[in-house]
Amino acid sequence: QQQVKQSPQSLIVQKGGISIINCAYENTAFDYFPWYQQFPGKGPALLIAIRPDVSEKKEGRFTISFNKSAKQFSLHIMDSQPGDSATYFCAASFIAGSARQLTFGSGTQLTVLP
Amino acid sequence: EAQVTQNPRYLITVTGKKLTVTCSQNMNHEYMSWYRQDPGLGLRQIYYSMNVEVTDKGDVPEGYKVSRKEKRNFPLILESPSPNQTSLYFCASSKTGYMNTEAFFGQGTRLTVV
Repeated sequence: QQQVKQSPQSLIVQKGGISIINCAYENTAFDYFPWYQQFPGKGPALLIAIRPDVSEKKEGRFTISFNKSAKQFSLHIMDSQPGDSATYFCAASFIAGSARQLTFGSGTQLTVLP
Repeated sequence: EAQVTQNPRYLITVTGKKLTVTCSQNMNHEYMSWYRQDPGLGLRQIYYSMNVEVTDKGDVPEGYKVSRKEKRNFPLILESPSPNQTSLYFCASSKTGYMNTEAFFGQGTRLTVV
């Protein structure tokens, strides 16, 4: 079963627009929420991450919004650029036994039109 | 350059023919893991290793084996591949498996089993 649900599956945005990707989770043991960015032919790479004790984290044009009570978090890409076209994965981490486990969402393919 | 190296990048094989996908990291990371990426399912963990000689099952371990005889290497073994193991595979490493640290991914191995 998918522990982290991600939507939409694909997203097309005009250059300069705002891209929004949403994720929801059920497991309250999750305590770290990273986003990974994957370009075609490459492995995922960490983009930005947040802990549940803050509601928002911003790095440049990328912002994570976190709603602990709703168990939802989202990635906002402001002033989207064609170079942002990639697949984005949300993820959630928790301690399972003696090791941290990282669970990924299903991914969102973002296309930014020039 | 810090990196995770997987080989081969592409592999086509026949059902039942044993194969090994190699993974090596040069960052002295303790934690290594294997994921498979399938459309609509995101990244699912196959196996992980907290350190040398310590391995454990992830979410989808059936049909796979791993070993961790050296810190830098973490090969994935398919002893009798089947068509349902056709997928894109990623190896990843992190500094530790106990704390939230960035996961570094290889470039992927696209496996086709016919």
